[in-house]
Amino acid sequence: DAKTTQPPSMDCAEGRAANLPCNHSTISGNEYVYWYRQIHSQGPQYIIHGLKNNETNEMASLIITEDRKSSTLILPHATLRDTAVYYCTYKTSYDKVIFGPGTSLSVIP
Amino acid sequence: KAGVTQTPRYLIKTRGQQVTLSCSPISGHRSVSWYQQTPGQGLQFLFEYFSETQRNKGNFPGRFSGRQFSNSRSEMNVSTLELGDSALYLCASSLGTIVINYGYTFGSGTRLTVV
Repeated sequence: DAKTTQPPSMDCAEGRAANLPCNHSTISGNEYVYWYRQIHSQGPQYIIHGLKNNETNEMASLIITEDRKSSTLILPHATLRDTAVYYCTYKTSYDKVIFGPGTSLSVIP
Repeated sequence: KAGVTQTPRYLIKTRGQQVTLSCSPISGHRSVSWYQQTPGQGLQFLFEYFSETQRNKGNFPGRFSGRQFSNSRSEMNVSTLELGDSALYLCASSLGTIVINYGYTFGSGTRLTVV
């Protein structure tokens, strides 16, 4: 099963960039890194995914290290609505997606 | 387009009963996964279906079962309910193609309370 390590909680000032780290040292070459977030017991929401190149979409940027053993999700200008639990995970096409405890991000006014 | 639809949203059952939860994936999505979420255990993988076949299974007892229909809709069943089965049950769908990996789209979940 895919295993990731994330800090249990982080704070970020509103308007500043939130940088959420994830360690996935056992990832193999064909496994994609995915990030999701969950706001107050709603279903998790897909944010972004990548294989080895950095990725950006309208929600966030994903920076993956060259050895692919860790990644960072960047929310460029955090708002109060970004307060959520953020999950990092990875999988191949046929593997199941295992979610760890995630990082509880609090955006502070 | 419509998202992932889970029914019912809330359910109260008595110990020993059985329950069936339903999930309608996004149109065109062929992969459906189920998760159980509790405050103590977080998100735990139950099973994944692709084209009516169970592709992966988590570490849950045989009381938990599921199936997928030809239109990709999925159901999960829990028999002989226990108090510990009280949880938010989440369904997620994805295109699930072989070559390209897509993220999951989750439904809002079914909140099951066993009394």
